[in-house]
Amino acid sequence: EAQVTQNPRYLITVTGKKLTVTCSQNMNHEYMSWYRQDPGLGLRQIYYSMNVEVTDKGDVPEGYKVSRKEKRNFPLILESPSPNQTSLYFCASSSGVGPREQYFGPGTRLTVT
Amino acid sequence: GQQLNQSPQSMFIQEGEDVSMNCTSSSIFNTWLWYKQDPGEGPVLLIALYKAGELTSNGRLTAQFGITRKDSFLNISASIPSDVGIYFCAGHKTANAGKSTFGDGTTLTVKP
Repeated sequence: EAQVTQNPRYLITVTGKKLTVTCSQNMNHEYMSWYRQDPGLGLRQIYYSMNVEVTDKGDVPEGYKVSRKEKRNFPLILESPSPNQTSLYFCASSSGVGPREQYFGPGTRLTVT
Repeated sequence: GQQLNQSPQSMFIQEGEDVSMNCTSSSIFNTWLWYKQDPGEGPVLLIALYKAGELTSNGRLTAQFGITRKDSFLNISASIPSDVGIYFCAGHKTANAGKSTFGDGTTLTVKP
């Protein structure tokens, strides 16, 4: 089954404790992206990757890092999480050139205390 | 960053009614997309539009790419309870290859 998977689905952590949210897709898509969703603010793009080893900032990249060493995986790294990073995070992938018809993962709900 | 203004923010309708929502921008987009998010899940693509003036249907859903390329519209006919969810518009500019901009969403509630 074609899908985007994220882990973990739920995470509660404390300020400053480094964490990684994994994202994997099995559709051989070149494009992948991370979004955060906050009430009333829709989806905001954090980082995206056009292909392996090619990443770039979205609209809200501060406090996040990403890497794209393999085509299928695109982990999101929070080196020193803060409470304002409490949010619902989505990973997405697309077969097109860029973010056209995106497939989204199920989401990761992160709480930073 | 770039903003898309989506309206209305929320809608409460009776089952069987038609629904209209729209998305506007101050700048031109080359692609408009509409997604639906069910509670507790990630967004799912409903319709993609690639040409100004394009009108595309997907079952009871119809979306249009505005002539000015600065807006898009989504209509749902004869709503049913499973139409409940959040509807997002998204825009993409060819010049900003990797960037994707989403509206704030329209929350739809359908009363049986």
